[in-house]
Order: sequence, then C-alpha cells, then structure tokens
Amino acid sequence: AQSVAQPEDQVNVAEGNPLTVKCTYSVSGNPYLFWYVQYPNRGLQFLLKYITGDNLVKGSYGFEAEFNKSQTSFHLKKPSALVSDSALYFCAVRDLASGSYIPTFGRGTSLIVHP
Amino acid sequence: SQTIHQWPATLVQPVGSPLSLECTVEGTSNPNLYWYRQAAGRGLQLLFYSVGIGQISSEVPQNLSASRPQDRQFILSSKKLLLSDSGFYLCAWALGERDTQYFGPGTRLTVL
Repeated sequence: AQSVAQPEDQVNVAEGNPLTVKCTYSVSGNPYLFWYVQYPNRGLQFLLKYITGDNLVKGSYGFEAEFNKSQTSFHLKKPSALVSDSALYFCAVRDLASGSYIPTFGRGTSLIVHP
Repeated sequence: SQTIHQWPATLVQPVGSPLSLECTVEGTSNPNLYWYRQAAGRGLQLLFYSVGIGQISSEVPQNLSASRPQDRQFILSSKKLLLSDSGFYLCAWALGERDTQYFGPGTRLTVL
C-alpha cells in the first residue's frame, strides 16, 4: 500500500525568506515522488519528480526537493519565496513495486507568501 | 508538444440534469487517462482511469460514468446530477506507468 502525508494545512512565509513544504510517504517498494502546484481555479502544474539518482531534485520556478529515504520524506524547498509562489501544493507518491498506474496525492498545503 | 484540453471551463446545472464533460489530449498516442474530482479546493479524488480505448476502471461507485471513445478522448457523464456532484473536475494524462501525470485546466461544476 502507498500513502502520503502533508502535515501542514498552511504554511506562511515572508517574501525573500526560504520556504519548506513538508511531505512524508509510505511505500512497500521504492517510491516515485512528485510535487505539483495549483493556482486558484486552475489545474495542477507539475513541478518536479524523484525516481532514482541524486537525492536533491531541481524543478520549475526555482523549487527543489530533497529525497530522504531514512526519514521517508520529500520536502519541497525554495531559497527565496515570492508572493507569486502563493498557491496550493500537492505531494504525490507511487509505489514502483505495486505496478500501479495511480499515484496517491496528499491533501495539499496552502502556501501563503506575505509581502 | 503535448496539450490537454477540457471543456466546458465552467458549468451550472440543475439537480437531476445530465452531464457530459470532455477531455482531449493532443500530441501523443495511447496515453493513460484519468478523471479526478476536487472538492472544496483541496484533496483529489480519483474517479476513473483508462489505459486504452474502451478500457475504463472505476475507483468510486457513484452516479458518474466515463467513456473513452477515441484514443485521446475521455468523457465523464452522468444521467442525473446530484448536489454532491458539485466540484472541480480535472482530467490528466500520462504515458505509461512510470510517467508523470499532466493535468488539464479543469471544469468547475456547480449543481443547484
């Protein structure tokens, strides 16, 4: 079985400060991990993914995520937040051992960047 | 490059009326296709997915149905809408089990 948790419903950060949006997962095999961003009344936009290789993954709009196998985490980070980063962020996981086509999404974390 | 379209963008329907939402993908062949519903702007609920023409898997029993009449077309339907069908409907595509899902712009459905 696969599951993912986003422990924070909302994250507040000041513009220019670093931001972190947390994600933890549970799989029986190796994880395939994703981050998406959703702006109001829009579809989800793909930010980045991890399947294998370097634990630090770089994605769109200056975002990056760090895969930590021992802590089963895949936190999203950005060194300097912009007001335009304010949006809903989703983490998703697929268990490669399951052969499933279907990822499991977290409930989402609302990021609010204050000017 | 690949693009995904959904229409209509918004829809207001009375309870008991039928529904048809359409999703099409351009620039690829034999994609996996998915319908999700998002309620209250948060979590995603997978409704249906399809790995080929005429092949539909349902994740949640309800009054909705899906069809895939063509390789890159995925339709979500209902014969009689319920108030609880209101939400934001998202279509997504992916190439194979190891590929990323890419989402369409969504359809906002309000059932009154």
